[in-house]
Amino acid sequence: QKEVEQNSGPLSVPEGAIASLNCTYSDRGSQSFFWYRQYSGKSPELIMFIYSNGDKEDGRFTAQLNKASQYVSLLIRDSQPSDSATYLCAVSYAGGTSYGKLTFGQGTILTVHP
Amino acid sequence: DGGITQSPKYLFRKEGQNVTLSCEQNLNHDAMYWYRQDPGQGLRLIYYSQIVNDFQKGDIAEGYSVSREKKESFPLTVTSAQKNPTAFYLCASSPRLGQPQHFGDGTRLSIL
Repeated sequence: QKEVEQNSGPLSVPEGAIASLNCTYSDRGSQSFFWYRQYSGKSPELIMFIYSNGDKEDGRFTAQLNKASQYVSLLIRDSQPSDSATYLCAVSYAGGTSYGKLTFGQGTILTVHP
Repeated sequence: DGGITQSPKYLFRKEGQNVTLSCEQNLNHDAMYWYRQDPGQGLRLIYYSQIVNDFQKGDIAEGYSVSREKKESFPLTVTSAQKNPTAFYLCASSPRLGQPQHFGDGTRLSIL
């Protein structure tokens, strides 16, 4: 069973701070990594994806991937109250019968307080 | 605008009844997916299709069926065999299998 683990939180940070969200995965054959944001009662929205080791930045968001340690993280700089949501980590696999399928973590609830 | 349309937004099922959830996309994506989300949980894959006239079971396919007769459409039927159907159902699509997926607004299904 391929597993994706996230700390369910809630993670509470003050406005303007850096929020750090972490995700670990069990299968070393994992190929692609995605972060989704989900507001309460809404569908998930793709924020970032990363394929290679290292950092990928997009505006206030940075995804970090370390395949050797099997973790992927999302940093949100200058956090705003509008960033308050559940953040879902998802992992897809390179081969076999699981090719291209996403496995989701249970999500981390982030609260940014003024 | 291009996107994924799910309907209805809310659906109620009676005992022993089959219901069908609609998913249509105009993004010209080859791959489409159905997920189920229970409160406080992540998404679990029900079925996926990488091309017209082809689909594969996901992790929780029992009690569900799908068809993919057109590229744009991937309807999901929740059969009476699914004993705990109350959940938030999400349809997604991507250009190819394994590429970033984008989601519709979802359908909330409840038991009467």
